[in-house]
Amino acid sequence: NAGVMQNPRHLVRRRGQEARLRCSPMKGHSHVYWYRQLPEEGLKFMVYLQKENIIDESGMPKERFSAEFPKEGPSILRIQQVVRGDSAAYFCASSGRLEADTQYFGPGTRLTVL
Amino acid sequence: AQSVTQPDIHITVSEGASLELRCNYSYGATPYLFWYVQSPGQGLQLLLKYFSGDTLVQGIKGFEAEFKRSQSSFNLRKPSVHWSDAAEYFCAVVGTSGSRLTFGEGTQLTVNP
Repeated sequence: NAGVMQNPRHLVRRRGQEARLRCSPMKGHSHVYWYRQLPEEGLKFMVYLQKENIIDESGMPKERFSAEFPKEGPSILRIQQVVRGDSAAYFCASSGRLEADTQYFGPGTRLTVL
Repeated sequence: AQSVTQPDIHITVSEGASLELRCNYSYGATPYLFWYVQSPGQGLQLLLKYFSGDTLVQGIKGFEAEFKRSQSSFNLRKPSVHWSDAAEYFCAVVGTSGSRLTFGEGTQLTVNP
């Protein structure tokens, strides 16, 4: 029973490039959450998606960040024109029900912006 | 808005000693509470969770936590710490309507031999 999968595990980008982070939820899970962990900080919620719908994006920066969870394929967190402040660990979690079910986390993608 | 406070940024214990990590939450109703552990460079692993019922919950790796409504606390305990328990521990809360987790700032645990 595969857990939440994220790739790549490590991503290096130069300022101004685009970063694409992928998340495949656990089998049977249809809810995906993205969190960001900045250096020396805790985890902060970014966005909550269901298949083809963004449910809550109140934690997403207003510019350059977007997320999707298409009918087929993984969820994608996209960061355009990356800046050094985007360097962080990005974690995806998935759950099976809407009502406060348990969220299971992937191993994360560590983004470094040069 | 819900919030979580972990008062201890860093705790050091000796191997074999008991452990208690503190967590206080702020939420209008009975929340759903979680403890996660994160080893360096890794993702978060769920240790235990409280939804309702018995206020003392058992988790993996010998951990337990007690929900105390009167103190708005959900402290994590382990009677005898192992060197492999060295990691960062996060308390988190989600409202009963589901959706986002709100995390505390984490407690870094160091275990001395």
